[in-house]
Amino acid sequence: EPEVTQTPSHQVTQMGQEVILRCVPISNHLYFYWYRQILGQKVEFLVSFYNNEISEKSEIFDDQFSVERPDGSNFTLKIRSTKLEDSAMYFCASSWDLANEKLFFGSGTQLSVL
Amino acid sequence: AQKVTQAQTEISVVEKEDVTLDCVYETRDTTYYLFWYKQPPSGELVFLIRRNSFDEQNEISGRYSWNFQKSTSSFNFTITASQVVDSAVYFCALRLMNRDDKIIFGKGTRLHILP
Repeated sequence: EPEVTQTPSHQVTQMGQEVILRCVPISNHLYFYWYRQILGQKVEFLVSFYNNEISEKSEIFDDQFSVERPDGSNFTLKIRSTKLEDSAMYFCASSWDLANEKLFFGSGTQLSVL
Repeated sequence: AQKVTQAQTEISVVEKEDVTLDCVYETRDTTYYLFWYKQPPSGELVFLIRRNSFDEQNEISGRYSWNFQKSTSSFNFTITASQVVDSAVYFCALRLMNRDDKIIFGKGTRLHILP
C-alpha cells in the first residue's frame, strides 16, 4: 500500500529556533494536511492545502506557521520561532479528493522544543 | 460547532473478551462522515472505517464491528474476542461533507488488552 513519508521521525530544537518538518505525500494525491497531537491529547487539525494554497486552517495555525509544496512532491510545515508549547507529534496526511474514503497519515514527527 | 466525545478515557479487558468503545458526536449538519482510527504504541494513525451520514447500516469487518445510530448521534466500535495486538488508542472522528476538509477527532480511548 502507498505511504505518506515524514522526516525526521524525531526533531529536537531550542526555543526560538525555526524548524521545518518534511512530508512526502502519496504521489497522485491532491489534498494535503497537517495535524498535531500534544502528548496524551487528541489529534488536532492545523491546516489543509490544495492547488498550491491553504484551503483551511485552524486557530492553532498562526503567523508562526507556514506550509509549502516547493517541488511537487514534498509538503513542508515550517515553524518560524518555536515555543515550548509547540512540542507535539506532527502528522502529515494526504488524500486524492475530499470525498475520498481514506485519509492517509504519515507516521509522524515528534518535535521536542527545549 | 462540531464535537466528538469519547467518554471512556481508558479501558482494560482480558484477552478474548469483547469490548465496546463509545463515540458520541455533535453537529447541526445533516451530511457528514464518521471515522475510527487506531493509534498503536508506535504512534501512527491507522484508518479503520468511514461511514457517511446517509448510511446507518452497521458494519462488520472480521472481529471489528461498528454501530451507527443517528437517533442517538453515536458511532460505537466493538472488538470481539479481543487480542493483545488490539491494545492501542482509538480515535473517533467527524468530518462535514462538502464543506470542511478538516477532521475533528475525539480525545481517544486507550484500550489495554491484558493477556
